[in-house]
Amino acid sequence: SQKIEQNSEALNIQEGKTATLTCNYTNYSPAYLQWYRQDPGRGPVFLLLIRENEKEKRKERLKVTFDTTLKQSLFHITASQPADSATYLCALDAAGTASKLTFGTGTRLQVTL
Amino acid sequence: DAGITQSPRHKVTETGTPVTLRCHQTENHRYMYWYRQDPGHGLRLIHYSYGVKDTDKGEVSDGYSVSRSKTEDFLLTLESATSSQTSVYFCAISPGSSYNEQFFGPGTRLTVL
Repeated sequence: SQKIEQNSEALNIQEGKTATLTCNYTNYSPAYLQWYRQDPGRGPVFLLLIRENEKEKRKERLKVTFDTTLKQSLFHITASQPADSATYLCALDAAGTASKLTFGTGTRLQVTL
Repeated sequence: DAGITQSPRHKVTETGTPVTLRCHQTENHRYMYWYRQDPGHGLRLIHYSYGVKDTDKGEVSDGYSVSRSKTEDFLLTLESATSSQTSVYFCAISPGSSYNEQFFGPGTRLTVL
């Protein structure tokens, strides 16, 4: 069956360090992958999209990699700040139906001073 | 929240009663989605719409129906609410089907007693 896995345990990191979050998937051949941020009590907010033919995408302090051989995406936040504390979700397009996304359960990031 | 509102924001109801949640957008986006979010399951797609009167089922559609009579409104109805439908419901919109991010509303917290 299709599965998207994100580390369910919270990631605790010190301010200024690089946070790296992982998204693994099985039995998918996604055309693209997206990352969202979700703060408590609020809806997810889109951050980045990376296509299957792209190895890396950057936006300010954010970097996403996409390895279709390993079936894995890594999400990096450099020079992390307490304001980066949130839950981060990865999402893939459902096989063959480009209008639907399937989300991982998310990883909570806590950045401390 | 990208011109998207949900109503009500909070609702407590009893088992067996009908419930309708409303999603309203001012962005004129073609695609609209209803998700539910539960601990351990992440965001799961209930139904989505790709145009007025055009809807399709998602991963967890049993017990739910939707309607879209206008571009700006997408209604989610629980015909006879059950305790298993206690959840946080998010509406999302998207301008296109492929390679487009989704914009989420603030969510509705529904409790079925």
